[in-house]
Amino acid sequence: DIQMTQSPASLSASPEEIVTITCQASQDIGNWLAWYQQKPGKSPQLLIYSATSLADGIPSRFSGSRSGTQYSLKISRLQVEDTGIYYCLQRYSNPYTFGAGTKLELK
Amino acid sequence: EVQLVESGGGLVQPGRSLKLSCAASGFTFSNYYMAWVRQAPKKGLEWVATISTSGSRTYYPDSVKGRFTISRDNAKSSLYLQMNSLKSEDTATYYCARGALGAGAYWGQGTLVTVSS
Repeated sequence: DIQMTQSPASLSASPEEIVTITCQASQDIGNWLAWYQQKPGKSPQLLIYSATSLADGIPSRFSGSRSGTQYSLKISRLQVEDTGIYYCLQRYSNPYTFGAGTKLELK
Repeated sequence: EVQLVESGGGLVQPGRSLKLSCAASGFTFSNYYMAWVRQAPKKGLEWVATISTSGSRTYYPDSVKGRFTISRDNAKSSLYLQMNSLKSEDTATYYCARGALGAGAYWGQGTLVTVSS
Protein backbone atom coordinates (compact mmCIF):
# COMPACT_ATOMS: atom_id res chain seq x y z
CA ASP A 1 0.00 0.00 0.00
CA ILE A 2 1.11 3.57 -0.66
CA GLN A 3 1.75 5.54 2.52
CA MET A 4 0.96 9.25 2.69
CA THR A 5 2.95 11.06 5.37
CA GLN A 6 1.27 14.35 6.16
CA SER A 7 2.76 17.23 8.14
CA PRO A 8 2.38 19.07 10.37
CA ALA A 9 -0.20 17.27 12.49
CA SER A 10 -1.49 20.60 13.69
CA LEU A 11 -0.82 24.28 13.29
CA SER A 12 -2.11 27.56 14.54
CA ALA A 13 -1.99 30.69 12.44
CA SER A 14 -3.42 34.19 12.34
CA PRO A 15 -5.87 35.58 9.81
CA GLU A 16 -4.19 36.85 6.63
CA GLU A 17 -1.17 34.59 7.18
CA ILE A 18 0.02 32.01 4.67
CA VAL A 19 0.24 28.34 5.67
CA THR A 20 1.53 25.27 3.88
CA ILE A 21 0.64 21.63 4.51
CA THR A 22 2.63 18.84 2.92
CA CYS A 23 2.17 15.18 2.06
CA GLN A 24 4.99 12.83 1.16
CA ALA A 25 4.06 9.78 -0.88
CA SER A 26 5.97 6.54 -0.29
CA GLN A 27 6.26 6.03 -4.05
CA ASP A 28 5.53 7.80 -7.29
CA ILE A 29 1.83 8.67 -7.61
CA GLY A 30 2.09 11.15 -10.45
CA ASN A 31 -0.60 13.80 -10.12
CA TRP A 32 -3.12 11.43 -8.52
CA LEU A 33 -3.37 13.53 -5.39
CA ALA A 34 -6.35 15.33 -3.92
CA TRP A 35 -6.78 17.65 -0.93
CA TYR A 36 -9.86 17.74 1.26
CA GLN A 37 -11.05 20.11 3.96
CA GLN A 38 -13.27 18.92 6.80
CA LYS A 39 -14.86 21.63 8.89
CA PRO A 40 -16.02 20.76 12.42
CA GLY A 41 -19.09 18.53 12.34
CA LYS A 42 -19.22 18.48 8.54
CA SER A 43 -18.36 16.06 5.76
CA PRO A 44 -15.12 16.51 3.81
CA GLN A 45 -15.08 18.87 0.85
CA LEU A 46 -12.79 18.60 -2.16
CA LEU A 47 -10.36 21.50 -2.49
CA ILE A 48 -7.75 20.36 -5.01
CA TYR A 49 -7.63 17.45 -7.46
CA SER A 50 -4.90 16.20 -9.79
CA ALA A 51 -2.37 17.79 -7.40
CA THR A 52 -2.85 21.34 -8.68
CA SER A 53 -6.40 21.82 -10.02
CA LEU A 54 -8.82 23.90 -7.98
CA ALA A 55 -12.22 22.29 -7.39
CA ASP A 56 -15.38 24.13 -8.34
CA GLY A 57 -16.36 26.91 -5.97
CA ILE A 58 -13.12 26.85 -4.01
CA PRO A 59 -11.48 30.25 -3.44
CA SER A 60 -8.25 30.93 -5.30
CA ARG A 61 -6.53 31.39 -1.91
CA PHE A 62 -6.12 27.62 -1.99
CA SER A 63 -3.46 26.17 -4.26
CA GLY A 64 -1.71 22.86 -4.72
CA SER A 65 1.75 22.02 -5.94
CA ARG A 66 4.00 19.03 -6.49
CA SER A 67 7.72 18.40 -6.30
CA GLY A 68 8.52 14.80 -7.07
CA THR A 69 6.65 12.73 -4.49
CA GLN A 70 6.03 15.68 -2.18
CA TYR A 71 2.75 17.53 -2.47
CA SER A 72 1.80 20.81 -0.85
CA LEU A 73 -1.39 22.68 -0.10
CA LYS A 74 -0.94 26.41 0.36
CA ILE A 75 -3.58 28.61 1.90
CA SER A 76 -2.98 32.31 1.37
CA ARG A 77 -4.66 35.10 3.32
CA LEU A 78 -6.09 32.78 5.97
CA GLN A 79 -9.70 33.36 6.94
CA VAL A 80 -11.50 32.32 10.12
CA GLU A 81 -13.65 29.91 8.10
CA ASP A 82 -10.54 27.95 7.08
CA THR A 83 -10.50 26.28 10.49
CA GLY A 84 -10.72 22.53 10.16
CA ILE A 85 -8.81 19.39 9.33
CA TYR A 86 -7.08 18.97 5.98
CA TYR A 87 -6.40 15.60 4.38
CA CYS A 88 -4.44 14.52 1.36
CA LEU A 89 -5.54 11.48 -0.64
CA GLN A 90 -3.65 9.41 -3.17
CA ARG A 91 -5.75 7.98 -5.99
CA TYR A 92 -2.93 6.38 -7.94
CA SER A 93 -3.62 2.83 -6.88
CA ASN A 94 -5.92 0.75 -4.71
CA PRO A 95 -6.21 0.93 -1.83
CA TYR A 96 -6.69 4.68 -1.93
CA THR A 97 -4.96 6.10 1.15
CA PHE A 98 -5.41 9.32 3.07
CA GLY A 99 -2.86 11.26 5.03
CA ALA A 100 -3.42 11.40 8.80
CA GLY A 101 -4.71 14.94 8.61
CA THR A 102 -3.59 18.42 9.64
CA LYS A 103 -5.67 20.32 12.17
CA LEU A 104 -5.65 24.03 11.39
CA GLU A 105 -6.70 26.51 14.04
CA LEU A 106 -6.96 30.24 13.68
CA LYS A 107 -5.54 32.42 16.45
CA GLU B 1 -28.28 20.96 -6.39
CA VAL B 2 -26.28 17.82 -5.76
CA GLN B 3 -27.58 15.79 -2.82
CA LEU B 4 -26.39 12.54 -1.33
CA VAL B 5 -28.42 11.25 1.60
CA GLU B 6 -27.16 8.23 3.49
CA SER B 7 -29.38 6.01 5.63
CA GLY B 8 -29.38 2.65 7.35
CA GLY B 9 -26.86 3.27 10.09
CA GLY B 10 -27.43 2.30 13.70
CA LEU B 11 -26.36 0.02 16.53
CA VAL B 12 -25.54 -3.55 15.54
CA GLN B 13 -23.97 -6.47 17.38
CA PRO B 14 -20.59 -7.88 16.35
CA GLY B 15 -20.92 -10.57 13.70
CA ARG B 16 -24.23 -9.23 12.40
CA SER B 17 -25.03 -7.49 9.12
CA LEU B 18 -26.20 -4.05 8.08
CA LYS B 19 -27.02 -2.46 4.74
CA LEU B 20 -26.44 1.22 4.09
CA SER B 21 -28.16 3.18 1.35
CA CYS B 22 -27.37 6.44 -0.35
CA ALA B 23 -30.00 8.32 -2.33
CA ALA B 24 -28.56 10.61 -4.99
CA SER B 25 -30.16 13.57 -6.73
CA GLY B 26 -29.19 16.68 -8.65
CA PHE B 27 -26.89 14.93 -11.12
CA THR B 28 -26.90 12.06 -13.59
CA PHE B 29 -26.09 9.22 -11.20
CA SER B 30 -25.34 6.65 -13.89
CA ASN B 31 -22.49 8.79 -15.25
CA TYR B 32 -20.40 8.66 -12.08
CA TYR B 33 -18.32 6.15 -10.22
CA MET B 34 -19.42 6.13 -6.59
CA ALA B 35 -17.58 5.40 -3.37
CA TRP B 36 -17.94 4.83 0.36
CA VAL B 37 -15.50 6.34 2.85
CA ARG B 38 -15.63 5.94 6.61
CA GLN B 39 -14.36 7.83 9.62
CA ALA B 40 -14.04 6.24 13.03
CA PRO B 41 -14.90 8.54 15.95
CA LYS B 42 -12.27 11.25 16.31
CA LYS B 43 -10.12 9.53 13.68
CA GLY B 44 -9.08 10.08 10.07
CA LEU B 45 -10.61 9.01 6.80
CA GLU B 46 -10.51 5.51 5.34
CA TRP B 47 -11.60 4.55 1.83
CA VAL B 48 -14.00 1.59 1.94
CA ALA B 49 -15.22 0.82 -1.57
CA THR B 50 -15.62 2.11 -5.14
CA ILE B 51 -17.98 0.99 -7.89
CA SER B 52 -17.91 1.72 -11.60
CA THR B 53 -20.74 3.43 -13.46
CA SER B 54 -22.35 0.16 -14.57
CA GLY B 55 -21.55 -1.68 -11.38
CA SER B 56 -19.43 -4.24 -13.19
CA ARG B 57 -16.25 -3.28 -11.37
CA THR B 58 -15.82 -2.94 -7.64
CA TYR B 59 -12.80 -2.22 -5.47
CA TYR B 60 -12.11 -2.69 -1.76
CA PRO B 61 -9.24 -2.42 0.70
CA ASP B 62 -8.16 -5.61 2.46
CA SER B 63 -9.78 -4.41 5.72
CA VAL B 64 -13.28 -4.99 4.31
CA LYS B 65 -12.74 -7.26 1.31
CA GLY B 66 -14.93 -10.36 1.55
CA ARG B 67 -17.17 -8.78 4.19
CA PHE B 68 -18.50 -5.64 2.48
CA THR B 69 -20.24 -5.40 -0.90
CA ILE B 70 -20.86 -2.18 -2.77
CA SER B 71 -23.68 -2.09 -5.31
CA ARG B 72 -25.85 0.40 -7.14
CA ASP B 73 -29.21 0.76 -8.82
CA ASN B 74 -28.92 3.36 -11.57
CA ALA B 75 -32.67 3.33 -12.18
CA LYS B 76 -33.20 4.42 -8.59
CA SER B 77 -30.10 6.65 -8.37
CA SER B 78 -29.10 4.72 -5.31
CA LEU B 79 -25.88 3.34 -3.89
CA TYR B 80 -25.63 0.58 -1.31
CA LEU B 81 -23.12 -0.96 1.06
CA GLN B 82 -23.87 -4.42 2.43
CA MET B 83 -21.76 -5.01 5.51
CA ASN B 84 -21.46 -8.52 6.90
CA SER B 85 -19.54 -10.03 9.81
CA LEU B 86 -19.27 -6.63 11.41
CA LYS B 87 -16.48 -5.95 13.90
CA SER B 88 -16.05 -3.30 16.57
CA GLU B 89 -13.40 -1.66 14.39
CA ASP B 90 -16.07 -1.04 11.73
CA THR B 91 -17.65 1.54 14.03
CA ALA B 92 -17.57 4.78 12.07
CA THR B 93 -19.51 7.39 10.18
CA TYR B 94 -19.95 6.13 6.63
CA TYR B 95 -19.97 8.68 3.83
CA CYS B 96 -21.30 8.18 0.34
CA ALA B 97 -19.26 10.08 -2.26
CA ARG B 98 -19.79 10.96 -5.89
CA GLY B 99 -17.02 10.01 -8.25
CA ALA B 100 -13.75 8.29 -7.49
CA LEU B 101 -12.86 10.97 -4.92
CA GLY B 102 -11.17 13.17 -7.53
CA ALA B 103 -12.59 15.85 -9.81
CA GLY B 104 -16.28 16.48 -9.14
CA ALA B 105 -16.24 14.67 -5.82
CA TYR B 106 -19.10 15.44 -3.47
CA TRP B 107 -19.82 13.76 -0.15
CA GLY B 108 -23.02 13.17 1.77
CA GLN B 109 -23.44 14.01 5.43
CA GLY B 110 -22.81 10.47 6.57
CA THR B 111 -24.55 7.81 8.63
CA LEU B 112 -23.18 6.46 11.90
CA VAL B 113 -22.65 2.73 12.36
CA THR B 114 -21.91 1.48 15.85
CA VAL B 115 -20.84 -2.12 16.30
CA SER B 116 -21.19 -3.14 19.93
CA SER B 117 -22.75 -5.82 22.08
